[in-house]
Amino acid sequence: NAGVTQTPKFRVLKTGQSMTLLCAQDMNHEYMYWYRQDPGMGLRLIHYSVGEGTTAKGEVPDGYNVSRLKKQNFLLGLESAAPSQTSVYFCASSPPPGQFFGPGTRLTVL
Amino acid sequence: AQKVTQAQTEISVVEKEDVTLDCVYETRDTTYYLFWYKQPPSGELVFLIRRNSFDEQNEISGRYSWNFQKSTSSFNFTITASQVVDSAVYFCALSERDSGAGSYQLTFGKGTKLSVIP
Repeated sequence: NAGVTQTPKFRVLKTGQSMTLLCAQDMNHEYMYWYRQDPGMGLRLIHYSVGEGTTAKGEVPDGYNVSRLKKQNFLLGLESAAPSQTSVYFCASSPPPGQFFGPGTRLTVL
Repeated sequence: AQKVTQAQTEISVVEKEDVTLDCVYETRDTTYYLFWYKQPPSGELVFLIRRNSFDEQNEISGRYSWNFQKSTSSFNFTITASQVVDSAVYFCALSERDSGAGSYQLTFGKGTKLSVIP
């Protein structure tokens, strides 16, 4: 099992560009999550999904959209990237209450 | 108010010293879960332990031990005889059920950066 994988590992964007981060899990988990990690802030929940076709907002959803068209994939989109979205993004999946984390995506917005 | 408070932002110890990382949490639920994760300099999040609210037994795993006290809402983590490889950021997290969404939400503390000096 690969567990939770994230694509890409690194990305540099210019302000206003768009991109999609892909999270995939092969553990047949119902729940999936997107977090961002900023220095001194810990991890903050952006969006999550409790099953295929469902999504919900977390603590810091503004500027992001998500989709869960397939159970194994959870996509995080930035429609118009801003420097404030420079961060490390982690995906996680679970059967609750715990979570398995992916390796992270380091995104820089110039 | 923060749900998970890790008051120690950074700690430095000399190798072989013992060190305790503090975690205080806040919840109204009777059923909840507490976690510790380790984030080494390489950046990945490594699961260390999960504890549910009904199990207050302390746990020991090698040089690691955890002290869960519901009376003080604390879940502290002690590393005995610290080693350089223990240098990392350690996160405490609380999982509560979101009744509206029907899911468990994981709330992280801001982390404690531990530096073990040789």
